[in-house]
Amino acid sequence: NAGVTQTPKFRVLKTGQSMTLLCAQDMNHEYMYWYRQDPGMGLRLIHYSVGEGTTAKGEVPDGYNVSRLKKQNFLLGLESAAPSQTSVYFCASSYPGIAYEQYFGPGTRLTVT
Amino acid sequence: AQKVTQAQTEISVVEKEDVTLDCVYETRDTTYYLFWYKQPPSGELVFLIRRNSFDEQNEISGRYSWNFQKSTSSFNFTITASQVVDSAVYFCALPMDTGRRALTFGSGTRLQVQP
Repeated sequence: NAGVTQTPKFRVLKTGQSMTLLCAQDMNHEYMYWYRQDPGMGLRLIHYSVGEGTTAKGEVPDGYNVSRLKKQNFLLGLESAAPSQTSVYFCASSYPGIAYEQYFGPGTRLTVT
Repeated sequence: AQKVTQAQTEISVVEKEDVTLDCVYETRDTTYYLFWYKQPPSGELVFLIRRNSFDEQNEISGRYSWNFQKSTSSFNFTITASQVVDSAVYFCALPMDTGRRALTFGSGTRLQVQP
């Protein structure tokens, strides 16, 4: 099992460009999440999904969109990147009933210049 | 609201010293879980422990131990005889709510263990 994978690992964007981060999990988990990590702030929830075809906003959703067309994939989109979106992005997945245990991907480091 | 506070931003110790990382939490729930994660310099998040609020016994795993005190809303993490490989950022976390099942993280404590 690969667990949770994220593509790409690194990316540099110019302000105004768009991109999509891909998260894939092979554990058949229902729940998937996107967090961002900024220096000194821990991880903050951007968007999440409780099942295929469903998405919802987290704590810091502005500037991002998500889609969950397939159960195993959760995409995070930036339509018009801004320097404030420079961050490390983590995807996670979990299965209901296993005491909130989350499995994290390796992270994507995004720099917006 | 759910909140996790890690007041220690950075701690530096010399190898073999013991070190305690503090975690104070606020929760509206009567039963809940608490977590610790480690983030080494390579950047990935490593799960260390999950604790149920029902169980207030201290937990020990090798050089790691956790002290859970409901009365003071604290879930502190102690590393005994620290090693250079323990150098990392450590996060304490608490579930947001049963609906989202996501985690609220503290701001983290960076631990530097000097040889």
